Amino acid sequence: QEQLVESGGGVVQPGMSLRLSCAASGFTFSTHGMHWVRQSPGKGLEWVATISYDGKHKYYGDAVEGRFTISRDNSENRVSVQMNSLTTKDTAVYYCARKMEAYHCIGGSCPFDLWGQGALVTVSS
Amino acid sequence: EIVMTQSPATLSVAPGERATLSCRASQSVSSNLAWYQQKPGQPPRLLVYGASTRATGIPARFSGSGSGTEFTLTITSLQSEDFAVYYCQQYNNWPPWTFGQGTKLEIK
Repeated sequence: QEQLVESGGGVVQPGMSLRLSCAASGFTFSTHGMHWVRQSPGKGLEWVATISYDGKHKYYGDAVEGRFTISRDNSENRVSVQMNSLTTKDTAVYYCARKMEAYHCIGGSCPFDLWGQGALVTVSS
Repeated sequence: EIVMTQSPATLSVAPGERATLSCRASQSVSSNLAWYQQKPGQPPRLLVYGASTRATGIPARFSGSGSGTEFTLTITSLQSEDFAVYYCQQYNNWPPWTFGQGTKLEIK
C-alpha cells in the first residue's frame, strides 16, 4: 500500500524552528519528486516547496524562501522540511505529496498523486 | 505566477443531479490541469489530471474538460460522498504550482 506519513508537527513560538518529516512506503521513493503543501485553518491549498527525485533541484514558494529548507534521504525513504524563523502566518496543516510518475505526464509536468494525512503546525506565543 | 480562479465559491446541488465546477487560469496552462477533492479532516485526493484523465480508482461520474485557460469538472448523478471541496491546480508553469481557491459542493 502506497503511503506517506508526516511527523514532527506541534506548537512553537514565533521565531522558533521546527522540522517536519514524511516517511514514504509502498512505492519506489527514489524515482519521485516530492512536494510540501500547506493549508491554513479554513483556507485553501498553498504550495510550499519541492525537491527533485535525486535531491539536486529544490524550489520554494515566495512566502518561505530563505526560511525553509527541503531535503530528502532516499536510503530512508524520507523527505523533510526544516522551518526556521516561524511566524503566525506559517500556522497550517502541512502535507507532503508525491509527484506523479513522469511517464504519465506531458513534458515532465505532473500533478500530485499521493498525499499524506498532514501535520499540524501552530505558531503561537 | 499563474492565478487560478474557481467558480462558484459554493455550489448547492441535490443528490442525483449534475454539478458543474469551473476553473480559469490567468494564462494558458495547456492541458496541465488537475482537480482534487478534499473532505473535512482529510488530505486532497487527485481526481483528474491532464484536464480530462481520471486518476486511478475515480468513478466515471467524474469528468474533466477544457484546455488553455478554461476548464470544467462535471460530476453526474451526485452521490452523498461527493459533497466536498474541489480544487483545481495548474502544473504547467512552475514554480510555483498554483491552486484555485476551491469550490464547496454542498447538498441542496
